[in-house]
Amino acid sequence: EDQVTQSPEALRLQEGESSSLNCSYTVSGLRGLFWYRQDPGKGPEFLFTLYSAGEEKEKERLKATLTKKESFLHITAPKPEDSATYLCAVLATDSWGKLQFGAGTQVVVTP
Amino acid sequence: DGGITQSPKYLFRKEGQNVTLSCEQNLNHDAMYWYRQDPGQGLRLIYYSQIVNDFQKGDIAEGYSVSREKKESFPLTVTSAQKNPTAFYLCASSIRGGGSGRNEQFFGPGTRLTVL
Repeated sequence: EDQVTQSPEALRLQEGESSSLNCSYTVSGLRGLFWYRQDPGKGPEFLFTLYSAGEEKEKERLKATLTKKESFLHITAPKPEDSATYLCAVLATDSWGKLQFGAGTQVVVTP
Repeated sequence: DGGITQSPKYLFRKEGQNVTLSCEQNLNHDAMYWYRQDPGQGLRLIYYSQIVNDFQKGDIAEGYSVSREKKESFPLTVTSAQKNPTAFYLCASSIRGGGSGRNEQFFGPGTRLTVL
């Protein structure tokens, strides 16, 4: 069965203190790995798709990387507006569009 | 302005009532999805639809029903058979589902359902 595990569950950072979030996955074959940002009471906002090991994507202070077993979301010099829950999801090759989501990492950035 | 809309934002249900959550998209996406989100858990798939007039059960379909009569609309009905319906419900769409390459799903703002 496909599984996605995110760690840590929660992360508290000082403004400017860089850190990484982990998403480890177990799937029969990976078609894609997706990162989303979710603010309280709102729907997830799409950030990145990664398709193969070694791939990297960047957007402002966020950088996502992918290996055969896990993905990292690096937050460089975070600002308070980066506070959110970050969700990881995988799409397996034998899946008809069904994403398997992790439980998320709640990030709080304090000034 | 393209996007996904969900209504209402908040919904209260009495015991034994059926309620319907609306989801509309003007992105011209073929595939649409319904998820349920509970605190501390990942999103769980309720139903999905690849094309008009066709839909499949997800992981937790019991107590829910859907229809897909139009490409842009995918309403979800929470029936009285759903024993624990209090949750945050999210609708999503993608250009297409299945075996094609573009599978990014884009989400609506959500509906919070509370059972009284």
